[in-house]
Amino acid sequence: DAGITQSPRYKITETGRQVTLMCHQTWSHSYMFWYRQDLGHGLRLIYYSAAADITDKGEVPDGYVVSRSKTENFPLTLESATRSQTSVYFCASSTGGSANTGELFFGEGSRLTVL
Amino acid sequence: GNSVTQMEGPVTLSEEAFLTINCTYTATGYPSLFWYVQYPGEGLQLLLKATKADDKGSNKGFEATYRKETTSFHLEKGSVQVSDSAVYFCALRHNFNKFYFGSGTKLNVKP
Repeated sequence: DAGITQSPRYKITETGRQVTLMCHQTWSHSYMFWYRQDLGHGLRLIYYSAAADITDKGEVPDGYVVSRSKTENFPLTLESATRSQTSVYFCASSTGGSANTGELFFGEGSRLTVL
Repeated sequence: GNSVTQMEGPVTLSEEAFLTINCTYTATGYPSLFWYVQYPGEGLQLLLKATKADDKGSNKGFEATYRKETTSFHLEKGSVQVSDSAVYFCALRHNFNKFYFGSGTKLNVKP
């Protein structure tokens, strides 16, 4: 099916473990984003990517690593998970350049719990 | 800098009541403004948008007008339904696809 999919939808891990959240989109959108959603903070941008092999930090990048070797995939890795990274993570994509309608398309989210 | 401030929730209304969710923004230049909605257990989806001053975005009975003079983009609906219960996010888009979101307002509509 076309769209943007995230996996896993739910993950429980322990402090210090490495966790990777996957994001895949089928639209060939140039821009992709990772947000975290926490009560009282709304959505905060972790990292974004303008194209394959181009990534940049957002508002709260510490403790996270991203890569984008292919346009359609944008994995987010927590190299050593901490309890403060317990959150719901959303991947999103959008078109870029002059064709940009401005709309962000979101995945369904990945709920991560760090014990 | 760029930021979005929206009214805190939750907002609880009876079915068919009038809804207003306030949103104000701070931005340099001329941002585009958006309302996104998040239904329980789902990701955010675009509700409506406006790209320049005095534009009115509308969808599913919801409306919002881009007011540059008051830097506001308030969301309104004349008659809410139980199915409108969700979290609503105001957002602005600035250069290079940078989006800034408000903290979200939860709407509960009771039958």
